[in-house]
Formats: sequence, structure tokens, C-alpha cells
Amino acid sequence: DQQVKQNSPSLSVQEGRISILNCDYTNSMFDYFLWYKKYPAEGPTFLISISSIKDKNEDGRFTVFLNKSAKHLSLHIVPSQPGDSAVYFCAASGGGSQGNLIFGKGTKLSVKP
Amino acid sequence: DGGITQSPKYLFRKEGQNVTLSCEQNLNHDAMYWYRQDPGQGLRLIYYSQIVNDFQKGDIAEGYSVSREKKESFPLTVTSAQKNPTAFYLCASRRTSGTYNEQFFGPGTRLTVL
Repeated sequence: DQQVKQNSPSLSVQEGRISILNCDYTNSMFDYFLWYKKYPAEGPTFLISISSIKDKNEDGRFTVFLNKSAKHLSLHIVPSQPGDSAVYFCAASGGGSQGNLIFGKGTKLSVKP
Repeated sequence: DGGITQSPKYLFRKEGQNVTLSCEQNLNHDAMYWYRQDPGQGLRLIYYSQIVNDFQKGDIAEGYSVSREKKESFPLTVTSAQKNPTAFYLCASRRTSGTYNEQFFGPGTRLTVL
């Protein structure tokens, strides 16, 4: 059973607009959440994270929102740029996972010029 | 500069042969990880090691083996027992001191078994 779910396999957005990528989790013991960006045939690169004591974390154009009661987090990219086109993975850890990450299946973002 | 290296980038093997994938890091991280990625799938954990000379099975360890004789190195062997070895393999490392630490990934190795 998937503990981290990214229900949208793909998302297409116009350049300059907002991209919103969503992630749901089932394990209430998760206390640390991360977003990674991945280009084809490359390793994922860390983008932004949030701990469960916060509900928002911002870094430049990237903001992650955490709704613990809904077990939901989202990544907002504003404004979206063509270089943001990649697969975005949501990951979670905690609840005795020893720092191991549980990944979602990813959402492929396409930003059109 | 520090980072994680994986070699080779592309690897081809015949069915039935064992193959070892290299992973080296100079970040002085204690924990290291091996993942497998298949098309349309997330990253699935094969093995992990929190400290030298110790490692644990992940979710899909069958058909794989690892060693952790040095802090910097965590090689993965894909054995002939692995039913579907063709995949993209990713190595990662993480600092274990402190509360929350992200994993850093290498560039990956694409293994194709013919």
C-alpha cells in the first residue's frame, strides 16, 4: 500500500503561471517532507523540505505547504519557467523510518513557453 | 568539490551474469542508500547503510547484495537471482547528525541486461 501518493502523473502549465504539485500521505507519524526535482537519466536534486512543526516553507520561487490534518502537502512554483520542466517527487520520513525516505511516483511538469 | 559519483553511467550485461555498480561519496556522510527507478515508478529502496560494516535490507532487496567496508563506498551487486534487473539505479547519502537531513543523490547508472 502506497504511503506517499502523487495522484497526478503529469501537469502542463504556461510559462509565468503558477504550478501546483500535490502529494498525499497516509502515515501520520511522518514528520519530515521533501520535494526533489529530476531530469531524465539524472539523479534527483533536493528542492525544498518542511518539517511537521511548520505549515509553510518558502525558498525563492518555491513554496511548500503542509496540511497535517488532511495529510496533504503541495509545492507551488511561481512564476513557472521552461527550465522547471522535470519530474517532481514528493518524499516523507519519520515514524521510525531511520531517516529513510518513502517516495511518491512523481509528477511530470511541463512548462510551455 | 564534494559529491556522489556512480560509475559507469551505462552498463550492459548478459542475462545470468552478476554485475557490481559503484557508488563513492566524499561528503563524509554516514548513511548511504541504493534505490531503483523503473518507468512511471517512484524510487524504491534496495539497501541502506547507516554506518560502516552495517547495512539493512530495503523494500526490494531480493537478488541484490551490498557491502560497506569504507565510509566513502557502498557498492551494489546485482546478482543473477534478480528477476528484472534492467533499471535505473541511484545511490544516495545523508548526514545523520542533526534532526532533519535530506539525501543527496548520485547521477545514476542505467543497467541493461540483454
